[in-house]
Amino acid sequence: GEDVEQSLFLSVREGDSSVINCTYTDSSSTYLYWYKQEPGAGLQLLTYIFSNMDMKQDQRLTVLLNKKDKHLSLRIADTQTGDSAIYFCAEIHLYNFNKFYFGSGTKLNVKP
Amino acid sequence: EPEVTQTPSHQVTQMGQEVILRCVPISNHLYFYWYRQILGQKVEFLVSFYNNEISEKSEIFDDQFSVERPDGSNFTLKIRSTKLEDSAMYFCASSAGASPYEQYFGPGTRLTVT
Repeated sequence: GEDVEQSLFLSVREGDSSVINCTYTDSSSTYLYWYKQEPGAGLQLLTYIFSNMDMKQDQRLTVLLNKKDKHLSLRIADTQTGDSAIYFCAEIHLYNFNKFYFGSGTKLNVKP
Repeated sequence: EPEVTQTPSHQVTQMGQEVILRCVPISNHLYFYWYRQILGQKVEFLVSFYNNEISEKSEIFDDQFSVERPDGSNFTLKIRSTKLEDSAMYFCASSAGASPYEQYFGPGTRLTVT
């Protein structure tokens, strides 16, 4: 089955790095994604990583994938108060690219 | 930048009433989706739609739900007889369907059933 798990809360100080973690159970995951949801808003695609990659960097965002441990992380460098939001990891599988499986989301609180 | 739009942003309805949630996907996308998020819970897949037919649906998507692409731009989700437990945020998404299979989400419609 498909199970994507995230810790519920993370609190950091402005300027620090944030690391949001995600674990998944299905080894046939193909792409893994990070979405951001600000209060009252929809889901904004931040970045994604293909399962044959270990790392992807995009400006302040670094995605790390440990396929052996089925562990995905999103690192936000120099976290700003505007980064306060809920961050969802999501995956799709080799056999069905139509269906996203989402984690429950990690609420990031950035303190000034 | 093209985006998915949804209307209305908030819909309040009485139990047993029919509701239609509307979405305008990104214009060159071929795959369309509905998801829902009950307050405080995970975003859950409801249905995917391609080539004018449902390609996959979840166990949540029972006979009370239907989807339609009535013209070249709109994609709708109908709930025939709403229940209290249908109260949720409903997200529409669209995708070009090609790798990396990015799905672009609309801002959501908050459905409140009273």
